[in-house]
Amino acid sequence: DAGVTQSPTHLIKTRGQQVTLRCSPKSGHDTVSWYQQALGQGPQFIFQYYEEEERQRGNFPDRFSGHQFPNYSSELNVNALLLGDSALYLCASSLATRVGQPQHFGDGTRLSIL
Amino acid sequence: LAKTTQPISMDSYEGQEVNITCSHNNIATNDYITWYQQFPSQGPRFIIQGYKTKVTNEVASLFIPADRKSSTLSLPRVSLSDTAVYYCLVGEGGSSNTGKLIFGQGTTLQVKP
Repeated sequence: DAGVTQSPTHLIKTRGQQVTLRCSPKSGHDTVSWYQQALGQGPQFIFQYYEEEERQRGNFPDRFSGHQFPNYSSELNVNALLLGDSALYLCASSLATRVGQPQHFGDGTRLSIL
Repeated sequence: LAKTTQPISMDSYEGQEVNITCSHNNIATNDYITWYQQFPSQGPRFIIQGYKTKVTNEVASLFIPADRKSSTLSLPRVSLSDTAVYYCLVGEGGSSNTGKLIFGQGTTLQVKP
């Protein structure tokens, strides 16, 4: 039973560039959430996708956008990268109809901005 | 979602029992309490979840008093591999599979030999 998988594991970009991160949810899950975790801080919620639509959004600018595909996998896109976007980006999946069940996290993509 | 307060750090020794307490004074009626563990450069891993009284699984116990304004994660006989950051979260439906999770700074547990 595959858990949440994310790619790539590490990525280096320069300021102003654009990046796309990918997430495959745990088998049987249909909801994907994205989090940003800066060094030494707890994860911060970016947004959540369900039925290919953004359902909830945290306090992140429009430079952060996403997409969910019919197979429930998801992408996180960040435009016009800033130095402050350097962080661990985490994807979590869950099943919308199973209230009270925990979200499962991947091991993240480490994004470094030079 | 209710805000949580937990100690920034704790030290322990191998073989001891560790108790980490989390305060959540504004917990709502529908809120569950969930704990995650995180190692460096890895994603958070679900440990345990509860609503009231006591919950126990193969790795931990969760104690919740009647007023539910706090909870205590208990790790029996810790080992060096339990050194990690522990997060307490409160939200509707527990870890709120249909909503966002709000993480605090967590408790960094250091287990010494």
